[in-house]
Amino acid sequence: SQTIHQWPATLVQPVGSPLSLECTVEGTSNPNLYWYRQAAGRGLQLLFYSIGIDQISSEVPQNLSASRPQDRQFILSSKKLLLSDSGFYLCAWSPSQVGGAYEQYFGPGTRLTVT
Amino acid sequence: GENVEQHPSTLSVQEGDSAVIKCTYSDSASNYFPWYKQELGKRPQLIIDIRSNVGEKKDQRIAVTLNKTAKHFSLHITETQPEDSAVYFCAASFLSGGYQKVTFGTGTKLQVIP
Repeated sequence: SQTIHQWPATLVQPVGSPLSLECTVEGTSNPNLYWYRQAAGRGLQLLFYSIGIDQISSEVPQNLSASRPQDRQFILSSKKLLLSDSGFYLCAWSPSQVGGAYEQYFGPGTRLTVT
Repeated sequence: GENVEQHPSTLSVQEGDSAVIKCTYSDSASNYFPWYKQELGKRPQLIIDIRSNVGEKKDQRIAVTLNKTAKHFSLHITETQPEDSAVYFCAASFLSGGYQKVTFGTGTKLQVIP
């Protein structure tokens, strides 16, 4: 069965510091991968998605970036964190497909607090 | 782009009563409609979904209905229990450029009162 991991689970970082969050998926190959952010008490905002290695697309302009160095690894980064970057970061995967529509499965999330 | 509206934002029901959450979407290209349940501090969990070629789907105490003409879909929970208390998100999605483009609603906080 498929499993999705995220780490760290929680993180407290000062403003201006760098960020690296990691997501890995097991039990599947060539998944579509997604990064979402959820502000406290709010909905889910799609940040990045990837359909393959080194194929990253951004949904919203921001000071964050994403990379996919391996098929089942997705990394979210920032060079300098802002207070507004605080939130719950969720990685998700879905099967790659041509045609049709498939469900997304979320990782356990990373709770980031920027101080 | 797609816009998903979800109502109500909060809902309180007595244990054993039914709960209904409604969503509307704007893009007729959307063909897949999942519902997620998110408990406090946890990840969203898929609880039920429906595809555009189906009007209704049921799984034990939960059911989802879809009206493609009116572009709205609803989640129905019967015989609610305290463990149903959570935030529920609807979503509308379609395949675009090889990936699942998903737009989420703003969430409904359901409280089931024992």
